[in-house]
Amino acid sequence: DVKVTQSSRYLVKRTGEKVFLECVQDMDHENMFWYRQDPGLGLRLIYFSYDVKMKEKGDIPEGYSVSREKKERFSLILESASTNQTSMYLCASSPLARGLTDTQYFGPGTRLTVL
Amino acid sequence: AQKITQTQPGMFVQEKEAVTLDCTYDTSDPSYGLFWYKQPSSGEMIFLIYQGSYDQQNATEGRYSLNFQKARKSANLVISASQLGDSAMYFCAMRDGDDKIIFGKGTRLHILP
Repeated sequence: DVKVTQSSRYLVKRTGEKVFLECVQDMDHENMFWYRQDPGLGLRLIYFSYDVKMKEKGDIPEGYSVSREKKERFSLILESASTNQTSMYLCASSPLARGLTDTQYFGPGTRLTVL
Repeated sequence: AQKITQTQPGMFVQEKEAVTLDCTYDTSDPSYGLFWYKQPSSGEMIFLIYQGSYDQQNATEGRYSLNFQKARKSANLVISASQLGDSAMYFCAMRDGDDKIIFGKGTRLHILP
C-alpha cells in the first residue's frame, strides 16, 4: 500500500513565524505535490517536484517555498506565515507518468491555523 | 486552458438511492484522463475511479460508475445504492499529458438515513 504521511494533522502558528510542513512517501515516487484546500475553491496547486532538488511553481506559489533534498521527502515552507495562509494543506505523490492513468496518492492533510 | 467544473456545491440524497455527481471539463488535448476522488471528514483524499479519453466503455468500480459523454465533455460519477458512509466531499479531476492533475471545486454529498 502506498503511504504518504504528513508531519502534523493540526498546527497553530503565529503571524510572522516560519512554518515547515513535512511530507514523506514510501513508494519511491518521482513526483510530489503540495496543494492547499479552501472551502469553495477546491484544491489549488502550490508547488510540485519531479525529482530531487527540482521544483516547479504551481498556480499559487506566492508566500511559499519548497525543498526536496531526498526523493521521499518534500517540504513546504511558509517563510513568514500570514493569516491568509490558514488552510488545509495536502501533500500527494505519484509515479512518473508513463500514461494518463497514474493517480496521485494523498497524505491525511495538515490543517494550519495562523493567528 | 484546462478546466474542471462541478456545478453542485452540495447535495442531499436518501440512503439507498442512486446519486449522480456532475462534472464537465475542458481541454484541447485529445488524450486525457479523468479521475474522481472522495474526501471524508477525516481529510484524506481517496481515489475512486478513472476514465481515459480513448476508453470505449464507461469505467466501473463496485458501486461507482463514470457516465462518460465525450462529445459533451461530461464525466459524471454515479453511486448506486448510496450508503451513510458515502457522505463526503467528492472531487472530479483531469490530467491531459503531464504529471499535474487539476481539480474541480468539489461537491459535498450528504446521505440521509
